[in-house]
Order: sequence, then C-alpha cells, then structure tokens
Amino acid sequence: AQTVTQSQPEMSVQEAETVTLSCTYDTSESDYYLFWYKQPPSRQMILVIRQEAYKQQNATENRFSVNFQKAAKSFSLKISDSQLGDAAMYFCVVSGGTSYGKLTFGQGTILTVHP
Amino acid sequence: DTGVSQNPRHKITKRGQNVTFRCDPISEHNRLYWYRQTLGQGPEFLTYFQNEAQLEKSRLLSDRFSAERPKGSFSTLEIQRTEQGDSAMYLCASSLFPSSYNSPLHFGNGTRLTVT
Repeated sequence: AQTVTQSQPEMSVQEAETVTLSCTYDTSESDYYLFWYKQPPSRQMILVIRQEAYKQQNATENRFSVNFQKAAKSFSLKISDSQLGDAAMYFCVVSGGTSYGKLTFGQGTILTVHP
Repeated sequence: DTGVSQNPRHKITKRGQNVTFRCDPISEHNRLYWYRQTLGQGPEFLTYFQNEAQLEKSRLLSDRFSAERPKGSFSTLEIQRTEQGDSAMYLCASSLFPSSYNSPLHFGNGTRLTVT
C-alpha cells in the first residue's frame, strides 16, 4: 500500500518569490516514481515534474525543482520566481511497481500567487 | 496529439438512474486509467486497461460500476443505480507502456457527475 501526505492545505506566495510545498510518502515498493501534478481551477491535471526513486540527483524543470530525501521519504517542490499562472492545486503523487499508472495522490495544496 | 477527451463534461442525474461516461485516449496510448476525484481531494484510482484488457480494479469500484474498453481504443465507465455518494469528478488518463517513464499520464478534463 502507498500513502502520500501533504500537510499544507493552502500556501501563498508573492509573484517573483520562491515557495516550497511539502510532501511525505510511504510505499512498500522498491522501485517507484514520484511526481508533482498541477490542477488549475476547472482545468485538467498537468505533470509538473517527476523523479525516479533510484536517482539521487534532484530533478529540475525550469523554475521547478524538488528536494528528494529517500531515507526520510520526503519529496518537496520548490517553485522559484513564482508567476500568476502557477496558482493551482498541487498534488504530490507516488507510483510504483508494475502498475506504473496506478497513482496515489496526496490531499493537495492550494497555491495562491499574489501580484 | 489532440489530448484525452472525455464526454460529457457535466452530468446531472437522479438517484437510481444509470449513467455512462466516455473517454477517448491519445491515439497511440495503450494504457487507459479511470480515477475519481471528490471535491477538495486528490484523485483515487478506480481501474486501468492495457489495450482491451482490464488489468486491475480498485476496491472502490463496487458492483454498480463497470468499465470497458472493447477495441482497445475508447473506454466507457457505467454507473448503475446511482447514489448521491457517486457525485464526483471522474477523470480519465492515458499513457504509453512500457515507455512509462517517458510517457507520463495525460489526463482529460473529466466528467463531473452530480446525483440529486
């Protein structure tokens, strides 16, 4: 079984500033993947960034980067130079095993970006 | 790549009625997934197909729920004898397997079901 916990129901940031969203997870899989997905209001879920658990190097994707601490089962998302378009619900997600697409989502963090 | 398409976008039905949703995945994707998302929560896995074979079903998928993917292309999700607790957003996603890492799930816009 897999669980994902996002302890911050809501976060806010000023435009151009940096914000970090927290996530902890638990899984019995030895090989798994971690993702952050973004869901803007009334719009579809979009992949933000992904990390293979066996890779020690933290993934980066333009303004988005993660801090992956495997031993602590922690996977936080840092958004640099925040933009108004970053406002959305962010989900931390874990996937593993042969059922790669069987994703386990956290409860989500609503990010508000203030101009 | 026209994306994952779901129809209808919204469905309002009375308790006890049957409803059917359709999902058209990205054409070359062989895996198709159904998720359910209630308000303010993260999506929960319901079931998935590889081509026409249904490989896994969640315990969330009661006997009233059935999903099909008859020709390995589009999929339908039917809910029989709807209950108010079925009210949710039903999300469909697709991916290409086994190139899974390089082909993450692509989600549709969802079908919002309201049971009155």
